[in-house]
Amino acid sequence: DAMVIQNPRYQVTQFGKPVTLSCSQTLNHNVMYWYQQKSSQAPKLLFHYYDKDFNNEADTPDNFQSRRPNTSFCFLDIRSPGLGDAAMYLCATSRAGMGSYQPQHFGDGTRLSIL
Amino acid sequence: AQSVTQPDIHITVSEGASLELRCNYSYGATPYLFWYVQSPGQGLQLLLKYFSGDTLVQGIKGFEAEFKRSQSSFNLRKPSVHWSDAAEYFCAVAPQNTGFQKLVFGTGTRLLVSP
Repeated sequence: DAMVIQNPRYQVTQFGKPVTLSCSQTLNHNVMYWYQQKSSQAPKLLFHYYDKDFNNEADTPDNFQSRRPNTSFCFLDIRSPGLGDAAMYLCATSRAGMGSYQPQHFGDGTRLSIL
Repeated sequence: AQSVTQPDIHITVSEGASLELRCNYSYGATPYLFWYVQSPGQGLQLLLKYFSGDTLVQGIKGFEAEFKRSQSSFNLRKPSVHWSDAAEYFCAVAPQNTGFQKLVFGTGTRLLVSP
């Protein structure tokens, strides 16, 4: 089945140690999103790629970066994780510009813990 | 600014009983409307969506939702709840266009199902 796959499902890192989360998709969608979801809260959009164009949300900390080397893959880099960055990170994809709305498809997320 | 309100943080329903989860939105025009479900440790799954037309929308797993423009509401219903429906439910809105859509989520309602 076509899907959005996030690796790893669980990631533990040390305070201040860079970490990279991975997302891949087989849907051939041109938009990929990264959300942060803290415990008992709604997902919060960090940024998205529309094709190769990177779009950052205004309140996303500089500590968070993203890369999209090709259509299928997108990475979330946290340069110096702090305790407040412990959260579930969700990747989503959608196809835009097709003349009709396409809803977002979500992966199962990566739960990040900071020691 | 766009906002979504889910007034119930927690709801407990007996198995087999009916369910209604409330959602109200504030938006400049009629947006696209969605309900997503999230099981513990999982990503978000789309239950149903409203774009236009018939205001009663059918979704997966026996859920339906009714759009009421006059009340700016999009409440989710299910006639008979199953234990497997226990999860977090998010209402979301997005602008009506076919390009990039920024989903605005409500804070979620946690559904507990009692025997």
